[in-house]
Amino acid sequence: EADIYQTPRYLVIGTGKKITLECSQTMGHDKMYWYQQDPGMELHLIHYSYGVNSTEKGDLSSESTVSRIRTEHFPLTLESARPSHTSQYLCASIGGGLNEQFFGPGTRLTVL
Amino acid sequence: QKEVEQDPGPLSVPEGAIVSLNCTYSNSAFQYFMWYRQYSRKGPELLMYTYSSGNKEDGRFTAQVDKSSKYISLFIRDSQPSDSATYLCAMSFLFSGAGSYQLTFGKGTKLSVIP
Repeated sequence: EADIYQTPRYLVIGTGKKITLECSQTMGHDKMYWYQQDPGMELHLIHYSYGVNSTEKGDLSSESTVSRIRTEHFPLTLESARPSHTSQYLCASIGGGLNEQFFGPGTRLTVL
Repeated sequence: QKEVEQDPGPLSVPEGAIVSLNCTYSNSAFQYFMWYRQYSRKGPELLMYTYSSGNKEDGRFTAQVDKSSKYISLFIRDSQPSDSATYLCAMSFLFSGAGSYQLTFGKGTKLSVIP
């Protein structure tokens, strides 16, 4: 079983709130990723990190920010949530090779 | 044109059938090809990955890559109701400088195996 965790699993909040989605892995993977997934649509990469203090924006424009202060932790923050941020957010990590990749269970975010 | 095209289905088959799932792509630089299974309200789970062209088999699952046609397939033999899920294809090339990968996904095909 994958040792990658996301909290909360479900979140319903009002517009304008600041939120942080947590992602942690205990496998010591350097490479971590955040994806956004809407129903029936592709996973879109929004942020990635190749190691501590390394973060990059992905292909999909996002108003979120990330940090990577510790190898095991890769939180995503929305400073002011809007209804357009309603989606499922998936965190993933990759170890030495592509066969060592795992996704978390996802956070389903609804912004009212 | 999207980089990766995948028919979203849904696809419904009887138990025991052979299932064929496909993706096409446009970027000839892709070198790694992956298939994931995603159950409802769960994260994707890597099923198989192949490097370059050829076939790879793992139990009831076979992945094929045809780089000349920019076409990949996943075959499921003796399909079971537990195979009912959304199947995602994804592709990547290696950023050798960072030793890392960026995955480009298809939309996923929703499969139902009827008992």
